[in-house]
Amino acid sequence: DAMVIQNPRYQVTQFGKPVTLSCSQTLNHNVMYWYQQKSSQAPKLLFHYYDKDFNNEADTPDNFQSRRPNTSFCFLDIRSPGLGDAAMYLCATSGTGYGYEQYFGPGTRLTVT
Amino acid sequence: AQKVTQAQTEISVVEKEDVTLDCVYETRDTTYYLFWYKQPPSGELVFLIRRNSFDEQNEISGRYSWNFQKSTSSFNFTITASQVVDSAVYFCALSEKNNAGKSTFGDGTTLTVKP
Repeated sequence: DAMVIQNPRYQVTQFGKPVTLSCSQTLNHNVMYWYQQKSSQAPKLLFHYYDKDFNNEADTPDNFQSRRPNTSFCFLDIRSPGLGDAAMYLCATSGTGYGYEQYFGPGTRLTVT
Repeated sequence: AQKVTQAQTEISVVEKEDVTLDCVYETRDTTYYLFWYKQPPSGELVFLIRRNSFDEQNEISGRYSWNFQKSTSSFNFTITASQVVDSAVYFCALSEKNNAGKSTFGDGTTLTVKP
């Protein structure tokens, strides 16, 4: 089945130690999104790609970076995680253009110790 | 600017009751889409329905139905004869044509269906 896959499902990192979360998709969608979701809150968009065109949200901290080496894969790099970065990170994909629904992966729960 | 309000933070019902989740949106765009997503305890958001701003027809899918009213800027979601498996967080989202297709999510409504 076509899907969005995120690895790992759970990640524990130390304060200040860089961490990379990965996302892959078999839907062949051009658009990929990274969201941060904290407990009992709505998903917050960090950035998204239209193909290789990177779009950063204005309030996304510089500590968060992303790479998309090809259509199928996308990575979220947190350069120096702080305690406030502990959250669920969701990857999603959609078709190009507005109005398409998003397909989400299961998320990566990040714990910062 | 687009905004989505889900005033009900938590709802608890007993199995087989009907329940309506409210969603009110704000937009200056005349062309937009509305969505509902379900997030069960496992964490993965699942797309339920999409509606565009030019289609106010209500929709029914099994026990789920949606009532879109532009006059009140609302897109409410009703579950008929609720089941325990309906327990989840439900998010309403808005995507404007003039906002590069990005979606703004409401804060979600946590639905608990008790046996």
